Order: sequence, then C-alpha cells, then structure tokens
Amino acid sequence: EAQVTQNPRYLITVTGKKLTVTCSQNMNHEYMSWYRQDPGLGLRQIYYSMNVEVTDKGDVPEGYKVSRKEKRNFPLILESPSPNQTSLYFCASRRTGQSYGYTFGSGTRLTVV
Amino acid sequence: AQTVTQSQPEMSVQEAETVTLSCTYDTSESNYYLFWYKQPPSRQMILVIRQEAYKQQNATENRFSVNFQKAAKSFSLKISDSQLGDTAMYFCAFMKLPGNQFYFGTGTSLTVIP
Repeated sequence: EAQVTQNPRYLITVTGKKLTVTCSQNMNHEYMSWYRQDPGLGLRQIYYSMNVEVTDKGDVPEGYKVSRKEKRNFPLILESPSPNQTSLYFCASRRTGQSYGYTFGSGTRLTVV
Repeated sequence: AQTVTQSQPEMSVQEAETVTLSCTYDTSESNYYLFWYKQPPSRQMILVIRQEAYKQQNATENRFSVNFQKAAKSFSLKISDSQLGDTAMYFCAFMKLPGNQFYFGTGTSLTVIP
C-alpha cells in the first residue's frame, strides 16, 4: 500500500530533551515536507526537501532540523524542544510534476512539558 | 507571498442538505493548483478535490464540487447530500507551479447534524 509512515503517533517529552520524529514514504516521491498544525493557524510548513540532500526552510523553521540522506526518509529533529513546539505534526510527500498534491502521514501529536 | 483565507471557522448542516465552504486566495501567479483536504476526527489528511487554474470547468468528485472563480480568486467547496461522515475540518490549499510549497487556509470545521 502506498503510504507515508510517521512515528510516533503520540509523544510527550520534557523541555530540552532532543527528539526525532521519523517519516518514510514508499512511493519514490521526490518532494517531502513537514508541517505543523495549530488551532486557528491551519498547517504551516516547517521544512521541505526536493530530493536527496536538498532541503530548504518553510515558513516556521526555527527550532527544527531535517535531513534527507535517502529518498524515502525525511526525519524531523527537535534538538532542544520547548513548550511552544507542542503541536500536531504532519509529514507529506509528492512526486515531481504531479498535480495530485501531497500524500500525508497520519500525524504526530507532540506535547512538550 | 501567497495567502489562503477561509473566513468560516465553523459551520453546520443538516444531514442530506447542501453546504458551501468558502475559500479565497491571493496570488500573482497565473499557473497554480487548488485543493480541498478533509481532516476527520481521525486527523488523517484526505484529498477531496483539486482544480487546475488553467481549466475553466469546475471540478467534481461525486457529492463534492467546486466553484472556481479565477478572476475573483475564489474557490468554494459544495457538499451535496451531506452525510454524517462528512463531519470534519476542511482545509483549502494553494500550490503554485513550478515549485513545491503548499499554502493552507486556517480551516473550516463542519458538523453534519442528524
């Protein structure tokens, strides 16, 4: 089944403790992105990647890191999480030139206390 | 910069009735795509319908259709014969071409009342 898999689905952590949210897609998509969803703000792009070793900042990149060493994987790293990073996070992927939009993962609910 | 505005934070509709969700966008681009995504309580993001800006014909997918007014930069979603399973958050989104970035609206929470 074609899908984007992100883990974990739920995560509670403490301020300052480094964490990684994994994202993997099995559709050979070139583009991958991370979004955060907050009430009243919709989805905002954190980082995106157009291909292996090619990443760029989205609208809200502060406090996050990403890497794209393999085409299928695009992990999101919070090196020192803070409470304002409590949010619902989505990974998404799409094929170059495809007009069908993104395929989304099932989301990660992150709480930073 | 592109912006997408959904001016209705919450809406409700009686089961079997028709409802229209509004979306406007601001862009100087001429080539782009527009999307509606549905997010049910399961929080999965599901593509409902898409529209190419160069096509004048409005897209339709079963009970879902759009009213695309390019000059007015308006892209509303009409849901006919509303069903309880349509209860969800609906996001309008804009994607410019060429490129990668999507821009989402803030969402409209739709409740279908039995």
